[in-house]
Amino acid sequence: DTAVSQTPKYLVTQMGNDKSIKCEQNLGHDTMYWYKQDSKKFLKIMFSYNNKELIINETVPNRFSPKSPDKAHLNLHINSLELGDSAVYFCASSQRFGSSSGDLEQFFGPGTRLTVL
Amino acid sequence: ELKVEQNPLFLSMQEGKNYTIYCNYSTTSDRLYWYRQDPGKSLESLFVLLSNGAVKQEGRLMASLDTKARLSTLHITAAVHDLSATYFCAVDINAGGTSYGKLTFGQGTILTVHP
Repeated sequence: DTAVSQTPKYLVTQMGNDKSIKCEQNLGHDTMYWYKQDSKKFLKIMFSYNNKELIINETVPNRFSPKSPDKAHLNLHINSLELGDSAVYFCASSQRFGSSSGDLEQFFGPGTRLTVL
Repeated sequence: ELKVEQNPLFLSMQEGKNYTIYCNYSTTSDRLYWYRQDPGKSLESLFVLLSNGAVKQEGRLMASLDTKARLSTLHITAAVHDLSATYFCAVDINAGGTSYGKLTFGQGTILTVHP
């Protein structure tokens, strides 16, 4: 049973193309996230959705557009891909959004390695 | 802006030895997480620390949190080769006690355990 799954696992594409990465979680969580891990392994949050509502929108080029059709899915669409977009993209999910107590432990998907040529 | 710094960034240990990884952060927070990442793999949650003085242990790893010093430690006891991985700490900014899950990660510590 995969808790957080992403497709595809690898994505190789040319500059200027448009691509999407899909994420699904079966944990019953209501919050989902996208992170980018660069070549130096640095992880940075990009977006967060809670019950299909955008909550966190970091300084990310507007070529990146997240879409959440329902609370179990969060997709990432990238327009006009650039060389610098090459990275590993992780989806994550958690519960208890906005909680003042308890943890917001985030569970990560397997990652999508995007290579832009 | 919250800054999270780990040290050391690279750690080469002999099996059987003890060592500590440090995680300092710049803004008040009482929620800190430790993750492990194997090469080419996802992040695995190790510990969740939610209050000052929290200490958690799992096998050869023990994590602690000192919110006044804005410091967390990950202590490795009698290292074994299987512990070789990259370890990340992550801090959750919480405003007025409410958390929005915005984790800020440290740079990661690459741990290599030699026979």
